[in-house]
Parts: sequence; structure tokens; C-alpha cells
Amino acid sequence: QSALTQPASVSGSPGQSITISCTGTSSDVNHYKYVSWYQQHPGKAPKLIIYDVSDRPSGISNRFSGSKSGNTASLTISGLQAEDEADYYCSSYTTTDTKFGGGTKLTVL
Amino acid sequence: ELQLLESGGGLVQPGGSLRLSCAASGFTFSNYGMSWIRQAPGKGLEWVSAINNPGGVTFYEDAVRGRFTISRDTSRNTLYLQMNSLRVEDTAIYYCAKEVHPNMVVTNFDFWGQGTLVTVSS
Repeated sequence: QSALTQPASVSGSPGQSITISCTGTSSDVNHYKYVSWYQQHPGKAPKLIIYDVSDRPSGISNRFSGSKSGNTASLTISGLQAEDEADYYCSSYTTTDTKFGGGTKLTVL
Repeated sequence: ELQLLESGGGLVQPGGSLRLSCAASGFTFSNYGMSWIRQAPGKGLEWVSAINNPGGVTFYEDAVRGRFTISRDTSRNTLYLQMNSLRVEDTAIYYCAKEVHPNMVVTNFDFWGQGTLVTVSS
């Protein structure tokens, strides 16, 4: 069960946009619509910010958006804010389990 | 208000057992699949196990299959994880998580508990 591949870190300045990639295979990301993204601040439980590739749960800012192309899903955060600094994880359904990415640390400069 | 409250974590020796519980409230527990997801200290998220609703189908990560057993009690609105033959590498915070969509399993998780720490050490 190989994990999905994410960059270890990304950074951006307040007001800028950043994109985090999540690369899987034809058996997970490419094959199903159940790709999700989670935000985790230190010492806190993960929080769902995108599900079903591009849907946002109630209460999540529209600065967060998701997309998918082939084996790669992407999370874009626009108008970066200091409180966006956190770890971000992607996940994908595979019919018998869920695979997570290794996580990406977002630093807001 | 939807709430998931884990309990049962602690310090256990290698080879020992623990049973984790996750008490659910604020939603119709019987309508949703549930998962356990863990996070080793300083590491990323790792899905461990899932159970569908009403509970006849279970799923396990390869590393825990045969050692862990997931179950649910709809009358008590509680999810369980029985962990046997524990190893040092099972040390982690264990979270229970609820599916976004009713009647689905291992897709997306919209609510997570606060986690319970399991430490396996001699």
C-alpha cells in the first residue's frame, strides 16, 4: 500500500496563492472521485477542507479549492493568510482502504 | 453538536492488548461507515481500519490485519478497536473518523475525534 506523493514543504507570502500536488496511480486518484484534503495544525486533529476532489464542507473558506487531472490531485489556497500555516494531507479511496499522502508543511512567510 | 470521543489509550508492553472506544453523538451513527486512523509521533496520517454500516463488512491495513479487530455497537453509538499483539511501531495517536456520505466507507472523513495516545514500550 504505497502512500500518495506530496511535496514535503511549500511556502508563500500573505495574499499569494499556492498549490499542493498529490500524485497517486491509475488505481486510486485517477480512478475515483473520492479524493480529499485535510488541514492539521500542531497538536490538533485533522480537519476536512476538500472532499470528492473539489467540494468544500460547510464553513470552509472558498479560498480553498481542489482539482484533479489524471493521477494527480491538487489543492490550491488563494489569498494566503497566516492561519493557513499548517500541515496538509491528501487521501484517496481505493475500494478496500484509504491511502494518505505523506503530508505537506505550508509555511506562510 | 456532532462529537466523537475516543478513550482507552495508554502505555502497554510489546505483545500486550488494548481496546479503544469512540463514543459518537450528534448524528445518526447507524447511517455512517467509520474508520480508525493513526498518527505516529511527528509522522503523517495512516488509515488503519474501517467498518461499514450496520457493521457486517470490515477493512484493515495490511500491517494490522489479524491483530486488530474493528467493531461497532449501534445501541451504544460506539466504535471499537481491539488491538492485540501490539508492537512498538503501533505507537501513535489513534483517531476515529466519520464518513462524509451515508452508507459509504473509506472515502472521505468529515469529523474526527480528538485522538487517544497508544504507547507500546517495554
